[in-house]
Amino acid sequence: AQSVTQLGSHVSVSEGALVLLRCNYSSSVPPYLFWYVQYPNQGLQLLLKYTSAATLVKGINGFEAEFKKSETSFHLTKPSAHMSDAAEYFCAVTGSSNTGKLIFGQGTTLQVKP
Amino acid sequence: GAVVSQHPSWVICKSGTSVKIECRSLDFQATTMFWYRQFPKQSLMLMATSNEGSKATYEQGVEKDKFLINHASLTLSTLTVTSAHPEDSSFYICSARVVSGSEGTGELFFGEGSRLTVL
Repeated sequence: AQSVTQLGSHVSVSEGALVLLRCNYSSSVPPYLFWYVQYPNQGLQLLLKYTSAATLVKGINGFEAEFKKSETSFHLTKPSAHMSDAAEYFCAVTGSSNTGKLIFGQGTTLQVKP
Repeated sequence: GAVVSQHPSWVICKSGTSVKIECRSLDFQATTMFWYRQFPKQSLMLMATSNEGSKATYEQGVEKDKFLINHASLTLSTLTVTSAHPEDSSFYICSARVVSGSEGTGELFFGEGSRLTVL
């Protein structure tokens, strides 16, 4: 079974500041991990994914995440926040490469202050 | 990337009526589609896995007779909320995987979502 915990339901940063959104996972099999972003009343857009290749994954819009097996973490970072980054972010895990059945975390709302 | 389209984006209905939501993969074929439900300010909850040509697999606690899923073709899955009630009001999101290629990593393409309001 898999599960995901996102620490902090709400994160607020100033424009230009570092963004750090935390995600810890639990999986009985090697995990595949994802970060998605959701804007109001819209579906989900994939930011990046970890699929057992490089542990440091670079995604779109300047985001990246590092898979740390020892810490069971997959935190999302961005060096400099932009106002357009304000949105809901979801971490997700699947334990198999072919099911596509994702288990989502609770989500973290990112607020970017001018 | 691949495009998944949902229709309608918004729907308001009276209590007791049924509502159908369509999920289409526009530029690829999807043997498997997934239906999620999202309450305000909450995460996505997987409702069911829709398999083309076979019965859907429902998650625990999801009423099969309440949420009818049909996946009649490789590009279309439908979710019908039967005898809808106000507590069924929610944001419903579908997702789909490509049939073949290099997408064997569990990556999904999501629809824009459908907001259902039951009066």
